[in-house]
Amino acid sequence: ILNVEQSPQSLHVQEGDSTNFTCSFPSSNFYALHWYRWETAKSPEALFVMTLNGDEKKKGRISATLNTKEGYSYLYIKGSQPEDSATYLCASFGGANNLFFGTGTRLTVIP
Amino acid sequence: DTEVTQTPKHLVMGMTNKKSLKCEQHMGHRAMYWYKQKAKKPPELMFVYSYEKLSINESVPSRFSPECPNSSLLNLHLHALQPEDSALYLCASSRVSPSTYNEQFFGPGTRLTVL
Repeated sequence: ILNVEQSPQSLHVQEGDSTNFTCSFPSSNFYALHWYRWETAKSPEALFVMTLNGDEKKKGRISATLNTKEGYSYLYIKGSQPEDSATYLCASFGGANNLFFGTGTRLTVIP
Repeated sequence: DTEVTQTPKHLVMGMTNKKSLKCEQHMGHRAMYWYKQKAKKPPELMFVYSYEKLSINESVPSRFSPECPNSSLLNLHLHALQPEDSALYLCASSRVSPSTYNEQFFGPGTRLTVL
């Protein structure tokens, strides 16, 4: 079992603000780090799969960085919009096809 | 079609009932997964099917019985469940197994309540 932690648990930001949150995972035997976005009453949707230390990925206004040596990843949202409101889950791949998820960061963007 | 569908959306069952959850994908994915999520907890892996064969069973009680009739379908048969089994059951698929480098595509889940 991998202990994956996310902070903060919840976050309220004003529309237009930029924000970021953290995923911490064990740095030993690292394989991959997944980020998912989960809107209420919808399916979790993959944002990024990251494997290399120092990797940085971007999709529109959302980007993520990865530090496998110290065991953390940051997710950034630039110019938050109300449609960005969702729970953001990270998951560390533990080998043997098992993804270990954090409890998520619940983001609310206030118009 | 990049969608994973799950039926039913909601299910209420008694402890003596037998019911099934269904999951379907038409993306040609060869790995399919069942996860269980309790409130305020992360999703936890239950089963993995790879090329229609059960590859992982994460010590799940036998009252949960998975079945993969073909590469597009995944069922979870439920029998003699306990109230503590009430949870959101998520199905997912990925192009291949293991999904180290491959994103998983999730369905919206079945909200199960056991009375």
